[in-house]
Amino acid sequence: DAGVIQSPRHEVTEMGQEVTLRCKPISGHNSLFWYRQTMMRGLELLIYFNNNVPIDDSGMPEDRFSAKMPNASFSTLKIQPSEPRDSAVYFCASSTGGDYGYTFGSGTRLTVV
Amino acid sequence: GENVEQHPSTLSVQEGDSAVIKCTYSDSASNYFPWYKQELGKRPQLIIDIRSNVGEKKDQRIAVTLNKTAKHFSLHITETQPEDSAVYFCAALSPGYALNFGKGTSLLVTP
Repeated sequence: DAGVIQSPRHEVTEMGQEVTLRCKPISGHNSLFWYRQTMMRGLELLIYFNNNVPIDDSGMPEDRFSAKMPNASFSTLKIQPSEPRDSAVYFCASSTGGDYGYTFGSGTRLTVV
Repeated sequence: GENVEQHPSTLSVQEGDSAVIKCTYSDSASNYFPWYKQELGKRPQLIIDIRSNVGEKKDQRIAVTLNKTAKHFSLHITETQPEDSAVYFCAALSPGYALNFGKGTSLLVTP
């Protein structure tokens, strides 16, 4: 299994531009999570999906952030318009659900200048 | 929602010594407590976990303990090695929610 696959690995963009992060979960995992990691705030949950349905998006910072999961093998996190304070590492993770550990992707390091 | 506190934020030990990291959680319904290790520039990786029906679990040099009454759990690393140097995160899972992580402990093992 290739694990959780995220793209791109690095993204540098100018303030105001749209950014789209992509994630392919492990086949058979029915839960998918988007986390943001910064030095100040640690690992913060943005949103999670169960069977492609958004369950909890209370961590999404504001309307500039949106996430979709059109099918069991693909999810996107979009920021429009991006701001310098969005600079962070964004991790996608997947699990089989319930009380089982998450497998994280390699992350996308986003820099907004 | 769940709130996880982790201490210390940094920990330095000499090779061969033990390291202990402690976490507390707020939701008494939490039933799953994993620990993740994150090396610099890498992804968090699960190293050990414990469920609420167990008080202790051990895997070679790593052990976790859980005190449900006090709502705290700990990670113990014995005979530390330089390759144990990393950031360690505890987490807690409340039913119906996603994992809530502590702020992390940066462990440095010096030769």
